[in-house]
Amino acid sequence: LAKTTQPISMDSYEGQEVNITCSHNNIATNDYITWYQQFPSQGPRFIIQGYKTKVTNEVASLFIPADRKSSTLSLPRVSLSDTAVYYCLVGRPGSGSARQLTFGSGTQLTVLP
Amino acid sequence: EAQVTQNPRYLITVTGKKLTVTCSQNMNHEYMSWYRQDPGLGLRQIYYSMNVEVTDKGDVPEGYKVSRKEKRNFPLILESPSPNQTSLYFCASSRGGPGGTEAFFGQGTRLTVV
Repeated sequence: LAKTTQPISMDSYEGQEVNITCSHNNIATNDYITWYQQFPSQGPRFIIQGYKTKVTNEVASLFIPADRKSSTLSLPRVSLSDTAVYYCLVGRPGSGSARQLTFGSGTQLTVLP
Repeated sequence: EAQVTQNPRYLITVTGKKLTVTCSQNMNHEYMSWYRQDPGLGLRQIYYSMNVEVTDKGDVPEGYKVSRKEKRNFPLILESPSPNQTSLYFCASSRGGPGGTEAFFGQGTRLTVV
């Protein structure tokens, strides 16, 4: 599984757009990028997965440049309830599955009023 | 509702007293796994199962056992718990193969071994 690097923490204010970038310089051709969210004392929750360009769902957008060496999770108009740890994972198809999850340190996002 | 259910949510036990944490999923998922989460160490995989009667060690299997006799259940067994197994435990499940893009986690079990 490719090593990922994320900022340890980020602060934002309610209503702002938040972008969390993940670096994965040694991503393999078949690797996908998956993001999870975790609230204190709760299990991680899947947010989004992508391979290239842009993926959007009802919660977030994922931007992946052409070289795929990094990716950016974008959360539109955050609220206090978005305060959580966000994990970036990179791996083969099915790498979001329970078999292969490898979590790094994640990014602690704190949304301030 | 699709869910992964762990029991109990909280458990305090004494060293050496065997215990079982249950995990059940209602999504007919092939893959199931157990993680422990500790401050500063993040989430680490204990055991995983790719289907009934198929289990394998994760990164930190010492002191734990698992079984997968039915597809929906994946209990975690601590034969002789020790204080260093005090942790927050999560069970997860997902579809198998390349289509397994999303894992579902249980609510967690906070275990304290005194």
